[in-house]
Parts: sequence; structure tokens; C-alpha cells
Amino acid sequence: DIQMTQSPSSLSASVGDRVTITCRASQSISTYLNWYQQKPGKAPKLLIYAASSLQSGVPSRFSGSGSGTDFTLTISSLQPEDFATYYCQQSYSTLWTFGQGTKVEIK
Amino acid sequence: EVQLVESGGGLVQPGGSLRLSCAASGFTFSSYWMHWVRQAPGKGLVWVSRIKSDGSSTSYADSVKGRSTISRDNAKNTLYLQMNSLRAEDTAVYYCARGLLWFGEPSYMDVWGKGTTVTVSS
Repeated sequence: DIQMTQSPSSLSASVGDRVTITCRASQSISTYLNWYQQKPGKAPKLLIYAASSLQSGVPSRFSGSGSGTDFTLTISSLQPEDFATYYCQQSYSTLWTFGQGTKVEIK
Repeated sequence: EVQLVESGGGLVQPGGSLRLSCAASGFTFSSYWMHWVRQAPGKGLVWVSRIKSDGSSTSYADSVKGRSTISRDNAKNTLYLQMNSLRAEDTAVYYCARGLLWFGEPSYMDVWGKGTTVTVSS
């Protein structure tokens, strides 16, 4: 199975901060990488698909980049509603895998 | 409105069985791949299974392979997950999700249900 490793596992940031989350795959996955946001007690929400394509309705402060094994999710100016856990997910292999998650907390 | 509603969760003893359902509405269910994803209490997301739009192709995570069967009834707009030989480690919230393609391959999940809780305990 392809292992997905996110860093950091958690971070504290203030409203208005630029936040970057990294996701590394254990082998090359081209751009078959997606990002989801999950708030406590809620279902995940798709933010970015195919590494850099913004899902419809998602604010433009969210962006994704990368290819191969290294990917990033960037929030350009953190908003109060962005405090949540973020997951990357690969769809390169038949068996999909998620990263362990990055919890973004209020500083 | 595009919507997915899971049901069928509950408390079951180890070794027992459960069938989860996911009712779809607001879109042409028969045109989409569908997935199950689970989340154990306080843990991360784990992809469980997927099924092609016409039911002709399925895949399973190693953790459930041989114990679970994904199926669908396109006439009823409903997705199912039959889970057998349940273990304590199957305790989780189970989400169904709609799948989309990228360059013709299953790639991401854009609509999710709210989940149904499965608890395996004696």
C-alpha cells in the first residue's frame, strides 16, 4: 500500500496567518492527490482534487501544489471557519489511502 | 439538493453481521462510482471500499476484504455495505461518498453523507 505522511500533525495559528501543510507519498503518485477538510462531528469536505484543482464553492484562499511524492496545501489567510483537521488522500493505486491528518488549532 | 443518507449502524457483538445502507438523492445515482470510508473514534479517515456505477467492479481495503461486500441497487438509488465477522476494530463512523473520475480513473470523493455509527462490543 502507498503510505501518506502529513506534517505537521498539528499546528497553532492565528487568523490571517498563512498556513502550509505537507503531504508525502511513499512512492510517486503523479497528481492523484486530494485534500479534505473535516470539522468535529461532521463529514469530510473536498477542498482540492488532482493536487491543484479547487473544488467548486471552496474559497480561493485554499490552494494545492505538488506532484510525484511531495504535495502542499496552503491557506493564504486563515479564517475562523478554517480551524479543522485536514487530510490528504491518494488515488493513484487501487487501494486508496489517507494521511493521518493535520489539526489546525487557534493560537 | 444532492444528498447521501446512511443508515443501518448500531451495536453488534463480535463475530456478528450488519448491513449498512446509503440512500442517494438529487443526482443520477447510476452514473457514479460510490465509496465507503470509515473513521474510528478519535482517529483518521480510512477508505473501505468502492463500486463502479453499474456494479461491475469492486475494490476493498485489506482490513475488510473477505468480510465485507459492497453492492448497489440503482433502481432504488441505494448503496450497501454488508459486513460480516465483525471485530472490535471495525467500530467506527461509516461514511458513504460519491466518487468522481480523473482522466477516466476513480479519483476523488465530492459528496459525503453524515455517517452511521457501528459499534462492535460484547
